[in-house]
Amino acid sequence: GGIITQTPKFLIGQEGQKLTLKCQQNFNHDTMYWYRQDSGKGLRLIYYSITENDLQKGDLSEGYDASREKKSSFSLTVTSAQKNEMAVFLCASTSGTGNTEVFFGKGTRLTVV
Amino acid sequence: GDSVTQTEGLVTLTEGLPVMLNCTYQTIYSNAFLFWYVHYLNESPWLLLRSSTDNKRTEHQGFHATLHKSSSSFHLQKSSAQLSDSALYYCALSDTNAYKVIFGKGTHLHVLP
Repeated sequence: GGIITQTPKFLIGQEGQKLTLKCQQNFNHDTMYWYRQDSGKGLRLIYYSITENDLQKGDLSEGYDASREKKSSFSLTVTSAQKNEMAVFLCASTSGTGNTEVFFGKGTRLTVV
Repeated sequence: GDSVTQTEGLVTLTEGLPVMLNCTYQTIYSNAFLFWYVHYLNESPWLLLRSSTDNKRTEHQGFHATLHKSSSSFHLQKSSAQLSDSALYYCALSDTNAYKVIFGKGTHLHVLP
């Protein structure tokens, strides 16, 4: 088995601040994802990457940047945190397309004050 | 674009009663795959069920679902709810050639004693 580790677990930032969330996986999966979880809005895709150095925008990419410098890691940057923003960011990975299982980390909870 | 629609919000029922969480989808792809993921508080979401062929039932941990392409549905069912079933459930959609996995808004299931 493998694991997806997200750091930090809790992130508190100030309005306008640039904040970076990190994700590491040891599954040796090619594809990695960042999702944002908001109550009542489900999991919305921010960015995904199908291989090292690849980046693909999801439906919610505005206000975010991503980086995939190694196969095992995928980071997400909030370019300018918005006041009163609160959400959980979930990192995930999978080995392929179609019917393959997606594995998730435990999330980073962001609060902007 | 692709989308997933689930029973919205909170479903509350008494232990022992049957569970049915609805999921319908829209996709341009002819070979869609559907999934149910479950998310318990303070844990990572994990795969509960994945679809098989059209009109074939799949089962896992007491839950079952059947993909019906004619109605674009993949409803989650269980004959008798347990207290431990209380969690957030996501229906998700993918395709053979697609790296994107699209999630619904999630349904909170709350089982009462």
